[in-house]
Amino acid sequence: AQKVTQAQTEISVVEKEDVTLDCVYETRDTTYYLFWYKQPPSGELVFLIRRNSFDEQNEISGRYSWNFQKSTSSFNFTITASQVVDSAVYFCALSLYNNNDMRFGAGTRLTVKP
Amino acid sequence: EAQVTQNPRYLITVTGKKLTVTCSQNMNHEYMSWYRQDPGLGLRQIYYSMNVEVTDKGDVPEGYKVSRKEKRNFPLILESPSPNQTSLYFCASSWGSPMNTEAFFGQGTRLTVV
Repeated sequence: AQKVTQAQTEISVVEKEDVTLDCVYETRDTTYYLFWYKQPPSGELVFLIRRNSFDEQNEISGRYSWNFQKSTSSFNFTITASQVVDSAVYFCALSLYNNNDMRFGAGTRLTVKP
Repeated sequence: EAQVTQNPRYLITVTGKKLTVTCSQNMNHEYMSWYRQDPGLGLRQIYYSMNVEVTDKGDVPEGYKVSRKEKRNFPLILESPSPNQTSLYFCASSWGSPMNTEAFFGQGTRLTVV
């Protein structure tokens, strides 16, 4: 069975600090997809990124970057120069190729203080 | 505007009183699903639907029903709600199963069963 672990329940940083949110996944499948979603205080879920298991290239999008390492089954998310608007709950999720279920981690609540 | 609309946003009800949470999407998506979000557990899938008249159980289907009579609508039905169904519910839709593309989420329905 697949599982996603986000060990950091809450993180608090001061604006402009860099912060990394950890995501560790478990699956025996070789083909799978990993996701990050953001849930701001308003409650909706916002898609950030999707990565398939055959693409281990790191990705950068503005202040956001993602580090996918199959060797450690991790898909970590880094925010550079954090801003107050980054305050949210962030979810990592895993979806298998032959399965219609998406498994979410418990989420990490990030608070960025001014 | 492309969106997934859930109604109501907030609902307080009593144990045993049947209720329906509606979900509608305007993107002609084939895949729709329902999740519940609970503290420390992340999002867990309740039911999903690959297309009209095709539905299947997710991780936590007990106590819930769904129907998919039209492509755009995917209501969640609680025939006899109980307090352990107090949760935040999200409807989601996507072009295919979640692995293929990003899922669009509704704004959530906060349900309290007393």
